[in-house]
Amino acid sequence: DQQVKQNSPSLSVQEGRISILNCDYTNSMFDYFLWYKKYPAEGPTFLISISSIKDKNEDGRFTVFLNKSAKHLSLHIVPSQPGDSAVYFCAASVRYNQGGKLIFGQGTELSVKP
Amino acid sequence: GAVVSQHPSRVICKSGTSVKIECRSLDFQATTMFWYRQFPKKSLMLMATSNEGSKATYEQGVEKDKFLINHASLTLSTLTVTSAHPEDSSFYICSASTGGSGETQYFGPGTRLLVL
Repeated sequence: DQQVKQNSPSLSVQEGRISILNCDYTNSMFDYFLWYKKYPAEGPTFLISISSIKDKNEDGRFTVFLNKSAKHLSLHIVPSQPGDSAVYFCAASVRYNQGGKLIFGQGTELSVKP
Repeated sequence: GAVVSQHPSRVICKSGTSVKIECRSLDFQATTMFWYRQFPKKSLMLMATSNEGSKATYEQGVEKDKFLINHASLTLSTLTVTSAHPEDSSFYICSASTGGSGETQYFGPGTRLLVL
């Protein structure tokens, strides 16, 4: 039972363009969503998060959009840079329950080409 | 801020031995630490949640006696893989948060375990 899904295993984007990474979830109890970036053989690095009371959160080149009715969130990276090439995981939690446990998607490997 | 370290970064051991992995929060006190396992090209699988001073909560299917977790202080949690077998070979990652819930988790760099 995959509660958090990233249906695109990979994405290739030209440098300077927008990267859009998508994530869907099934559990309507999730109220906190996060995006992490991960390089091979390293731990994930926190990028940005959003609470379910918001529909958008922006931090520099990174913007996360949340569509609760569609149970969908997306991460936009503008402009994309070669250093953004990594695997991106979305994660979700029921924030004040379950001890902060995160449920991760399968990840999307982003490749930004010069 | 929010730096989490893991030691060792890589370990190779013989089948049947036990391996201890340390997870430390370097610049904050972590009341809760989490242990994950990642298989190649797969998602992170939560193994257990570790709260300081209490017993860890294991996810379904994770053997408590196989994967011993100790969270002795607010900055240190350890995972011991007991009587390791080749199928235990994996990438183990810990994370730490300042609160039991509602807080962002910060991840360590991971430990690559290879059991021969």
